[in-house]
Amino acid sequence: DAEITQSPRHKITETGRQVTLACHQTWNHNNMFWYRQDLGHGLRLIHYSYGVQDTNKGEVSDGYSVSRSNTEDLPLTLESAASSQTSVYFCASSEWVDTGELFFGEGSRLTVL
Amino acid sequence: AQSVTQLGSHVSVSEGALVLLRCNYSSSVPPYLFWYVQYPNQGLQLLLKYTTGATLVKGINGFEAEFKKSETSFHLTKPSAHMSDAAEYFCAVSDSLGGTSYGKLTFGQGTILTVHP
Repeated sequence: DAEITQSPRHKITETGRQVTLACHQTWNHNNMFWYRQDLGHGLRLIHYSYGVQDTNKGEVSDGYSVSRSNTEDLPLTLESAASSQTSVYFCASSEWVDTGELFFGEGSRLTVL
Repeated sequence: AQSVTQLGSHVSVSEGALVLLRCNYSSSVPPYLFWYVQYPNQGLQLLLKYTTGATLVKGINGFEAEFKKSETSFHLTKPSAHMSDAAEYFCAVSDSLGGTSYGKLTFGQGTILTVHP
C-alpha cells in the first residue's frame, strides 16, 4: 500500500543545532506540505512544494527550509534549532491541487532544549 | 486571507448523544471545506469534504456536515456518539480554483471530543 513516512518519530536536540526531518511518500503525489502542530494553534503551514525543484513558504517559514530533488521526498531542515521550534511536525501530500485532500504522515515530535 | 474558527476547544458528550462540532470560516472565493480527525499519536485522517454540489456531505463513521454559505459555517454532526469517536477534530478550508491559497489547507485550532459512558 502507498504511504507517507516520517523519520525520526521522536528527536531531542539542543539549541543552535541543525536538524533535518525526513518525509518520504510512495503515493507519487506532486504536492507535499510540512505543518507544525501546537496546542491552541491547530496546524500551521511551514513550507510546501507543487513538484520537483518547486518550494514555497508558508505562514510560519522563518527558521526552516526545504528542498525537493525528487517526487518522493521533502526533507525539512531547521538551520539553527530554537526552543520555539519544539513542536510536532506533520508531513502531508496530495495528488490534485484542486481538491486539497491531504494524506498525512504520523508526525515527528521534536524537542529543543 | 482565509481563516477557520472552531467554537469550543473541548466538547464532552455522553455515549449515544448527539455530537455537534462547530466550524466557521472566512474565504474570499468559494471554499473547499474539510473535517479531519486525529487519534492519539497519529496523523490526521480525512472524515469528509465539501467541494461542490450537495451541501450536506456524509463522511466516514456516521459523521456528516452541512455547508451553509449564508452563515459561513460547516458544522460537523453525528446522531449518536460512540466511545471510539473520542479524538481531536480539525476543520480546514482551501481556496477553490483561482484563489490565492489554492491547494493549501488552513486549519482551525481543533476540538477535542470526549465521550463518556
